[in-house]
Amino acid sequence: QQQVKQSPQSLIVQKGGISIINCAYENTAFDYFPWYQQFPGKGPALLIAIRPDVSEKKEGRFTISFNKSAKQFSLHIMDSQPGDSATYFCAANPHTGTASKLTFGTGTRLQVTL
Amino acid sequence: NAGVTQTPKFQVLKTGQSMTLQCAQDMNHEYMSWYRQDPGMGLRLIHYSVGAGITDQGEVPNGYNVSRSTTEDFPLRLLSAAPSQTSVYFCASSYSSNRGHNSPLHFGNGTRLTVT
Repeated sequence: QQQVKQSPQSLIVQKGGISIINCAYENTAFDYFPWYQQFPGKGPALLIAIRPDVSEKKEGRFTISFNKSAKQFSLHIMDSQPGDSATYFCAANPHTGTASKLTFGTGTRLQVTL
Repeated sequence: NAGVTQTPKFQVLKTGQSMTLQCAQDMNHEYMSWYRQDPGMGLRLIHYSVGAGITDQGEVPNGYNVSRSTTEDFPLRLLSAAPSQTSVYFCASSYSSNRGHNSPLHFGNGTRLTVT
């Protein structure tokens, strides 16, 4: 079963627009929620992460919003740029630090057009 | 600093053949893991290791074997390849939870495997 559900599967945004990717989880033991960014031909790389004790975390143009009661979290990319075109994965981790057992969403392919 | 190195980058196998996907990391990470990436299914954990001599199964372990004889290396073995194992395979590593913080996964650049 898919423990982390991610949507949309693909997304096209104009340059300067806001990209929003949503994830939902079932397992209440999850307590660490990272987002990974993957460019073609490369492995995923950590973009930004959040713990459930905060509702929002911002790093530059990237923001995670977290709703613990709804068991949902989302990635917002402000002022989207063509260089942001990549596949984005949300993930969740049931134990602090055990990153090697991350459960990933199915991925969102983002295309930012000029 | 090479990070996580995977070899080969591409491989084509016939059904029933065996092979080993190599993974090495030079960051002295305790944790290492193998994921497979398939369209529409994200990344699924195959096997992982929390240290030398210790391995465990992930979500989709059938058809794969692993061993961890050193901290640096974590090879993935396909004993009898099947078309269902056509995928992109990623090796990843991180520090352990004993470090007291969530350590990010560092991924290699993947091995694209086709089984005909």
